Amino acid sequence: GQSLEQPSEVTAVEGAIVQINCTYQTSGFYGLSWYQQHDGGAPTFLSYNALDGLEETGRFSSFLSRSDSYGYLLLQELQMKDSASYFCAQKALTGGFKTIFGAGTRLFVKA
Amino acid sequence: EAGVTQSPTHLIKTRGQQATLRCSPISGHTSVYWYQQALGLGLQFLLWYDEGEERNRGNFPPRFSGRQFPNYSSELNVNALELEDSALYLCASSFTGTVNTGELFFGEGSRLTVL
Repeated sequence: GQSLEQPSEVTAVEGAIVQINCTYQTSGFYGLSWYQQHDGGAPTFLSYNALDGLEETGRFSSFLSRSDSYGYLLLQELQMKDSASYFCAQKALTGGFKTIFGAGTRLFVKA
Repeated sequence: EAGVTQSPTHLIKTRGQQATLRCSPISGHTSVYWYQQALGLGLQFLLWYDEGEERNRGNFPPRFSGRQFPNYSSELNVNALELEDSALYLCASSFTGTVNTGELFFGEGSRLTVL
């Protein structure tokens, strides 16, 4: 089946840059998404990569390398409000589409 | 425009009972997905409905079931509740799976507690 690997926890200081990596299995791979979830809140979509390369959306960028089965989320100019859990999610076509989430990376932003 | 709405917000049941959770997708979305999120953990894929049909399901026992209605709203049923079913159940919607860009729109979830 599908599984995604990402670090469980990352700590960084305000104003810094942090990169959250994600590796995935290739079976039926269609695209890689990133979601942010604050405590007690719903996951919210950040970005989606179907092709190799970098997608930039404001302070957040996401990268995909299909040959390496690897992607990352880059957060720049960190703010306290960025403290949240970040999930990579693989969209796969196996017996129908489904989106499988990684276990999430807890980001702590310190002053 | 209204987002994905889920009800109830909280639900408390005892072992062996049944729980029914409901979800209304964003207007125009035909796909509804259900995920289970145990406390502090990731999202586990449960079910995907599109155009009224079950299109895919995750590795959950048959006591997890659901349906999608003609208006694309959906219902998740959990029978014979067990303690480990206590979790946040998230519903998400999107345009049909073959054309969307990967973005799922999530509701705030239904917190199920099994005592």
